[in-house]
Amino acid sequence: DTEVTQTPKHLVMGMTNKKSLKCEQHMGHRAMYWYKQKAKKPPELMFVYSYEKLSINESVPSRFSPECPNSSLLNLHLHALQPEDSALYLCASSRLNEQFFGPGTRLTVL
Amino acid sequence: GESVGLHLPTLSVQEGDNSIINCAYSNSASDYFIWYKQESGKGPQFIIDIRSNMDKRQGQRVTVLLNKTVKHLSLQIAATQPGDSAVYFCAENFRAGGTSYGKLTFGQGTILTVHP
Repeated sequence: DTEVTQTPKHLVMGMTNKKSLKCEQHMGHRAMYWYKQKAKKPPELMFVYSYEKLSINESVPSRFSPECPNSSLLNLHLHALQPEDSALYLCASSRLNEQFFGPGTRLTVL
Repeated sequence: GESVGLHLPTLSVQEGDNSIINCAYSNSASDYFIWYKQESGKGPQFIIDIRSNMDKRQGQRVTVLLNKTVKHLSLQIAATQPGDSAVYFCAENFRAGGTSYGKLTFGQGTILTVHP
């Protein structure tokens, strides 16, 4: 298995909702990442997990809460989001340098 | 701060032509560079990479050139096909010693359009 999967593909939520994005990989990678990508812009790093521990938080607002339950799974919990948080959320994993990306979750906040 | 940028935001070519996409980077400590292809509605797809101790690497129809003197990276696509139409991002990776992860910084992207 050489892919990163993400669910759901699309998500529409209100500003008072709580939702979660999920990411899974079975390549044995010990580093996993969350990126945010706005339209016509490059991906921007949000969080890095290494060996299931949070290693980097790029000053992301607390309404985004990452979780790494085990070495294959990565979640992003969402609460009280703003319309400007609407974007494509990408998950990636890596062994060392080469990062493999999932297809992303297209999030719309109403 | 450190950044990776592209000279040309769009590139239009005819099918069969060779394409060259350029990228400038500024972090001299970056040790690994990657080109990604992103099609509409999809995540970035790895194309080719190069380490900082190399100046050229070839793949299938693609070649990456690295000029550390001027901090310049390029992606050459031979015999470009309509299926190559996408946004292309360069990314520089910095991995601190002893860590298992890298920190990618992406360039702004180039839109490649291939006309039949």
